[in-house]
Amino acid sequence: DSGVTQTPKHLITATGQRVTLRCSPRSGDLSVYWYQQSLDQGLQFLIQYYNGEERAKGNILERFSAQQFPDLHSELNLSSLELGDSALYFCASSVEARTGELFFGEGSRLTVL
Amino acid sequence: KNQVEQSPQSLIILEGKNCTLQCNYTVSPFSNLRWYKQDTGRGPVSLTIMTFSENTKSNGRYTATLDADTKQSSLHITASQLSDSASYICVVSASNSGYALNFGKGTSLLVTP
Repeated sequence: DSGVTQTPKHLITATGQRVTLRCSPRSGDLSVYWYQQSLDQGLQFLIQYYNGEERAKGNILERFSAQQFPDLHSELNLSSLELGDSALYFCASSVEARTGELFFGEGSRLTVL
Repeated sequence: KNQVEQSPQSLIILEGKNCTLQCNYTVSPFSNLRWYKQDTGRGPVSLTIMTFSENTKSNGRYTATLDADTKQSSLHITASQLSDSASYICVVSASNSGYALNFGKGTSLLVTP
């Protein structure tokens, strides 16, 4: 158990809909990262927050947004969903923004029908 | 452009045999290199993390090496077990890249009886 909690574990929805994925980092970790992993693809970095502020942005679509709340949990919002958004979405956390070891959650599997 | 290339893309070995996975990177300036193990459908788990001054690091039957001059790393698995079947991901961080990590696409290892 990495200590990083992601909910929901599985989510099935229709195209055009909006979903919210939630992540609770390990106790004491200030940095939260979001990654997308499509079938047989590597992890694609989406966005990182550190202590409530956006720190780095990767290949995140404009339809996607995220935030980190004062209690350090984070949410990833995916809107106007398309079939191609079906993927595993991982959250990871670390103590330090750049050099800290990453601890990954078990992921949220999103299926868009 | 910062890149991380892993080889081979996939590998099949017999239980009990050794294997070596390769990671070449162009990330600069180098900060640290990490190896992760990802079981199918699960979150990645850290195996090792190495900084510039470390050229070998072990974690049980896993031994990672780093040659910062040639920008190469390898992950050696000794006396493989069926549970070693997973994807192994090399991740490199640059000290001036902001806070984003550079992920390889992974090597998919299958250990057969």
